[in-house]
Amino acid sequence: NAGVTQTPKFRILKIGQSMTLQCAQDMNHNYMYWYRQDPGMGLKLIYYSVGAGITDKGEVPNGYNVSRSTTEDFPLRLELAAPSQTSVYFCASSYPAGGAEAFFGQGTRLTVV
Amino acid sequence: GESVGLHLPTLSVQEGDNSIINCAYSNSASDYFIWYKQESGKGPQFIIDIRSNMDKRQGQRVTVLLNKTVKHLSLQIAATQPGDSAVYFCASRAGGSYIPTFGRGTSLIVHP
Repeated sequence: NAGVTQTPKFRILKIGQSMTLQCAQDMNHNYMYWYRQDPGMGLKLIYYSVGAGITDKGEVPNGYNVSRSTTEDFPLRLELAAPSQTSVYFCASSYPAGGAEAFFGQGTRLTVV
Repeated sequence: GESVGLHLPTLSVQEGDNSIINCAYSNSASDYFIWYKQESGKGPQFIIDIRSNMDKRQGQRVTVLLNKTVKHLSLQIAATQPGDSAVYFCASRAGGSYIPTFGRGTSLIVHP
């Protein structure tokens, strides 16, 4: 099983550019999440989804958008990148019940210059 | 709102010692707690979990203790090894919400 796969692993963006971070899981998990992790800090929830077609904002959604057209995929869109969005982004998914542990991808390290 | 924090940002131990990583939570409605290990350059990985109806749970070389009275949980690692060096996060989930909230993390450094 591949688990949770994120692409790309690294990316450098210029201020004002846009990009999409890809996330796919092959575990048939209903719940999927996007977190960002700043240096020395914990994980902050950006957006989450409880199933295809359903998304909701987390703690820090400004500057981001998501979509969930399939169970497997949960892309994160950055519009008009800003230096404050420099971070490591993690996608995760969890069991259908949503109460058990989340499985994380390897992360995308994004730098906005 | 829910907040989860850790007492010590860095913990240094000698190989073979036991390690104890602490975590405090604020929401008394929290009913599920998870410890994650994050190695450098990787995503967090599940270690062990505990539900609020338990005080203690043991895994392989790890034990989680939950004290609901003072809203505190700890992760004990027995016979710490260099491979245990990582950042450890606790996460909690409040009843009715399936979204875990993460603490800041503790960096465990194991000296050979």
